[in-house]
Amino acid sequence: NAGVTQTPKFRILKIGQSMTLQCTQDMNHNYMYWYRQDPGMGLKLIYYSVGAGITDKGEVPNGYNVSRSTTEDFPLRLELAAPSQTSVYFCASAIGTEYNSPLHFGNGTRLTVT
Amino acid sequence: DAKTTQPTSMDCAEGRAANLPCNHSTISGNEYVYWYRQIHSQGPQYIIHGLKNNETNEMASLIITEDRKSSTLILPHATLRDTAVYYCIVGRGLYSGSARQLTFGSGTQLTVLP
Repeated sequence: NAGVTQTPKFRILKIGQSMTLQCTQDMNHNYMYWYRQDPGMGLKLIYYSVGAGITDKGEVPNGYNVSRSTTEDFPLRLELAAPSQTSVYFCASAIGTEYNSPLHFGNGTRLTVT
Repeated sequence: DAKTTQPTSMDCAEGRAANLPCNHSTISGNEYVYWYRQIHSQGPQYIIHGLKNNETNEMASLIITEDRKSSTLILPHATLRDTAVYYCIVGRGLYSGSARQLTFGSGTQLTVLP
């Protein structure tokens, strides 16, 4: 299994541009999450999903959108990029069924908005 | 979800046990204690989790106090590769049937010294 795969690894955006951060997992996990991590800080939850077709907001959803059309994929859309969105973005997944499971993280997308 | 308090940084000599404390005095009865670590800009890596009993796996041991208000992660023989930020997180297990949102704080920077 590849686990959780995020693309791209790095991206520089100009203010006002849009982009989609891709996340895919091959573990058949129901639960998927997007976090952002600012320098020297912990992770903050942006959006999460408990299964295909179901998404919900986390702690810092403003400026982002998500969709979950398949179990495998959970893309994060940035519309009208702002410097405040400069961060490292991590996608994670978990089994999310009747027993506990840990979060599996991708290696992140490093985004700079200038 | 309950909040956690961890020291900002700790040092440990290579080959010695590293004991990382965590306070979670507001933990509720159905919340688990999870430990993750993040090695320089990589995605967080799951280490161990527990509810009430002490747990051990190939990476570490988790000691939870009887009142569950604090816990300690033990790396029995720390190596230089264990240098990382260690996150202690509490959150509801999946038995509740609700989405699990784990809040990552700032963690403890563990530096293993040669």
